[in-house]
Amino acid sequence: NAGVMQNPRHLVRRRGQEARLRCSPMKGHSHVYWYRQLPEEGLKFMVYLQKENIIDESGMPKERFSAEFPKEGPSILRIQQVVRGDSAAYFCASSLNRVRTEAFFGQGTRLTVV
Amino acid sequence: AQSVSQHNHHVILSEAASLELGCNYSYGGTVNLFWYVQYPGQHLQLLLKYFSGDPLVKGIKGFEAEFIKSKFSFNLRKPSVQWSDTAEYFCAVKVDRDDKIIFGKGTRLHILP
Repeated sequence: NAGVMQNPRHLVRRRGQEARLRCSPMKGHSHVYWYRQLPEEGLKFMVYLQKENIIDESGMPKERFSAEFPKEGPSILRIQQVVRGDSAAYFCASSLNRVRTEAFFGQGTRLTVV
Repeated sequence: AQSVSQHNHHVILSEAASLELGCNYSYGGTVNLFWYVQYPGQHLQLLLKYFSGDPLVKGIKGFEAEFIKSKFSFNLRKPSVQWSDTAEYFCAVKVDRDDKIIFGKGTRLHILP
């Protein structure tokens, strides 16, 4: 059973470009979380999705960031018009249920904006 | 808003020393509690979890944690650390009325050989 798969592992974008980060959850999991990790700051919650629904996006910046989890295919975190401050590691996690279950993490995508 | 506080940002120990990493959370209701470990260059892996029942939880690699509801704490312990325990450790909380899992800022543990 493959774990949570994220790609790419490393992504370099110039300021103003778009970044697309992909996350395929574990088989059978229909719940996905996205987190951003900055040095010395731990993991910051961004968004929680179920298939075709955004359940909680309270951690998402109001502009330039969006996320989706379509019926078919991976979850996508999209950052438009990237700025240097977007440089970070972005982790995706999936879970089987909404309650009483742990989240399994992917390897992360390290985004560098130059 | 819920928050998770990890008291130690950096801990340095010698091999065979005992370990205790502190974790406190701010929420008065029902919680699910987790400790994750992140080895250098790797993703987060679950060490142990608490949902209900026995407040003393045993995890992988000899780690355990104790949930003390009155203190809002979930401290991680290991009686004798190894060099391979060098990693960053994250405490996390999920409250019953919310969907997101909130993480602490992490504790970097460095074990001297």
